Amino acid sequence: QSALTQPASVSGSPGQSITISCTGTSSDVGSYNLVSWYQQYPGKAPKLMIYEIIKRSSGVSNRFSGSKSGNTASLTISGLQAEDEADYYCCSYAGSNTWIFGGGTKLTVL
Amino acid sequence: QLQLQESGPGLVKPSETLSLTCTVSGDSISGTSYYWGWIRQPPEKGLEWIGSVYYSGSTYYNPSLKSRVTISVDTSTNQISLWLNSVTAADTAVYYCARHDRAADASDIWGQGTMVTVSS
Repeated sequence: QSALTQPASVSGSPGQSITISCTGTSSDVGSYNLVSWYQQYPGKAPKLMIYEIIKRSSGVSNRFSGSKSGNTASLTISGLQAEDEADYYCCSYAGSNTWIFGGGTKLTVL
Repeated sequence: QLQLQESGPGLVKPSETLSLTCTVSGDSISGTSYYWGWIRQPPEKGLEWIGSVYYSGSTYYNPSLKSRVTISVDTSTNQISLWLNSVTAADTAVYYCARHDRAADASDIWGQGTMVTVSS
């Protein structure tokens, strides 16, 4: 099991949209619509943002959306705000009751 | 509301066994809707799923750690435990316990995490 591939960093200006990709294989992301996304501030526990590719967790802004094509899932944040600056992690079901995380992406709001 | 709290030694010697407990409050861990998992994060690095346990005691482990990991559940005390043996410096990390919603297939409630350092 190798970690899902995410860009190390992305950046955007307030109001803009950014997309974070999460690339796996046909054994994980490509086989299941079971990708979730987590937001993590420094020194804090991760927070669930998106699950089952496209569903927003309770209380999460509709500026956050998810999608998937083939072996790659994506998280899009529209109308970027300063408070969105954080680390983001994807996670996919990988079969046989195992899960795999991405390496994480640091989002900087310029 | 539901809360998870990790506890255990913050310092473990190389080759010894890391042992942590996660105490769940606010609800019973005996529900059929959830797994209870352990995830870790080395300093300045990403998240790694360690393993999960169902209230019945069924366990699921990361293949890369399977030979060294044991996770158990105690429904009488509402606690989940993690043991990781033969630790090295590479096991230094913040260890989180989390509730995994089986329907959503996502970890929706997390503990605050506990830092464990492996050093002599």
